[in-house]
Amino acid sequence: AQTIHQWPVAEIKAVGSPLSLGCTIKGKSSPNLYWYWQATGGTLQQLFYSITVGQVESVVQLNLSASRPKDDQFILSTEKLLLSHSGFYLCALTGGENTLYFGAGTRLSVL
Amino acid sequence: AEKVIQVWSTASRQEGEELTLDCSYETSQVLYHLFWYKHLLSGEMVFLIRQTSSSTAKERSGRYSVVFQKSLKSISLIISALQPDDSGKYFCALWEPRTGGYKVVFGSGTRLLVSP
Repeated sequence: AQTIHQWPVAEIKAVGSPLSLGCTIKGKSSPNLYWYWQATGGTLQQLFYSITVGQVESVVQLNLSASRPKDDQFILSTEKLLLSHSGFYLCALTGGENTLYFGAGTRLSVL
Repeated sequence: AEKVIQVWSTASRQEGEELTLDCSYETSQVLYHLFWYKHLLSGEMVFLIRQTSSSTAKERSGRYSVVFQKSLKSISLIISALQPDDSGKYFCALWEPRTGGYKVVFGSGTRLLVSP
C-alpha cells in the first residue's frame, strides 16, 4: 500500500518569510499528485496537481508555487508568506475512481 | 471496498423549500467520518457539515443538518429554507483514517438548482 509522508508536521513562520513544504510518496510509481489547502472551517481547495516529473498545473492563484523534482516528491513553496497562507496543507494522490489518499498534513501558522 | 453512492445526479427546488440529499456508503472501518461539501466553480470544496461514526449527536450547522443512519450506512444532508445561492454541486465524502493520513472517497455528486 502507498504511503504519503509530509514534512514538516507544523510550521510557525513570519509574514514575508519563505516556505517549503514537502511530500514523499512510497509504494506507488508515477502517481498523480495534488496539493490541497484546508481552511480552518474544513473547506478544501485544490492548489496544484502534477501527473509527471517536472510538470505542475496550478488550479488557483495564491502566491504559491509547486514543483515535482522526482517521481515520488512534490514540493510546495513560496518566497514570501502572507497571513492568508495560514491553514492546513494536504498532499494527496489518486487511488481509483473518486478516491484520494491524503497525507497527515502540515499545519502552517503565519504570524 | 470503500464506496460512496449519491443516487440523484440532479435535483431542483423552489426558494424557501427544504431539500434532502441522500448518500450511502460502504466501509469496513469502525472509525470514519462523513463530510458534505459544496463544490464551487473555482474548484473549492466548501465544507458544510461532518458526521463522525462514533457520534450519536444530531449534527447541525446553520441551515444544514444530517440524518445519520449508521446501521444502514446512510447519511442524508438536509438544507432548509433554500436560497438561489444554494445552487451548485454537493458531494458526500467518506474519510477513513489510515497510517499517516486518510483515504477519502467522494460520491459522484448531486447538482442542485434552486429557482427564485
